[in-house]
Amino acid sequence: AQKVTQAQTEISVVEKEDVTLDCVYETRDTTYYLFWYKQPPSGELVFLIRRNSFDEQNEISGRYSWNFQKSTSSFNFTITASQVVDSAVYFCALSEPYSGGGADGLTFGKGTHLIIQP
Amino acid sequence: DSGVTQTPKHLITATGQRVTLRCSPRSGDLSVYWYQQSLDQGLQFLIQYYNGEERAKGNILERFSAQQFPDLHSELNLSSLELGDSALYFCASSAAHDRHAYGYTFGSGTRLTVV
Repeated sequence: AQKVTQAQTEISVVEKEDVTLDCVYETRDTTYYLFWYKQPPSGELVFLIRRNSFDEQNEISGRYSWNFQKSTSSFNFTITASQVVDSAVYFCALSEPYSGGGADGLTFGKGTHLIIQP
Repeated sequence: DSGVTQTPKHLITATGQRVTLRCSPRSGDLSVYWYQQSLDQGLQFLIQYYNGEERAKGNILERFSAQQFPDLHSELNLSSLELGDSALYFCASSAAHDRHAYGYTFGSGTRLTVV
């Protein structure tokens, strides 16, 4: 069965520091997708990135970057020069399109609460 | 605005009662998913509908049921409510059956409080 582990329950940094959120996943499938979502204090879930298992290229989007390493089953998320507005809970998630068994949908990690202090 | 509309935003009800949560997917999306976010269980997948048919079930209790109507909106029915059902319920939609490739768009959620 699939599993997503976000070992960091809470991280607190001072504004402008770089911060990395860890995500480790478990899957028996060779085809799968990984996601990161942001949940600000207002509660909605905001999509950040989707990566399929065949694309190990790292991605950068402004101050955000993602490091996907299949060898260590990790999909880490780094925020460079953090800002107060980055304060939120961040979720890593996994989906396995061909796992069968009837269960479907995203498997989420427990989330990392990121606090950026001014 | 994500394009996925959930109503109501907040709901307070008593134990033993029944409530209905509503979701309108993004225009053109055929798949609707329901998720529950609680403090102890985190975010859990409940159920998926695709074009009116149930497609997959996750950790959905027997007291809960859902359906998707011909206009593609979906309703999640929660009955015999217990205190532990208090949670944030999210609806998500996707553009195609292969939602893993196209991703999900989440609504803003319905916060249910059972007292």
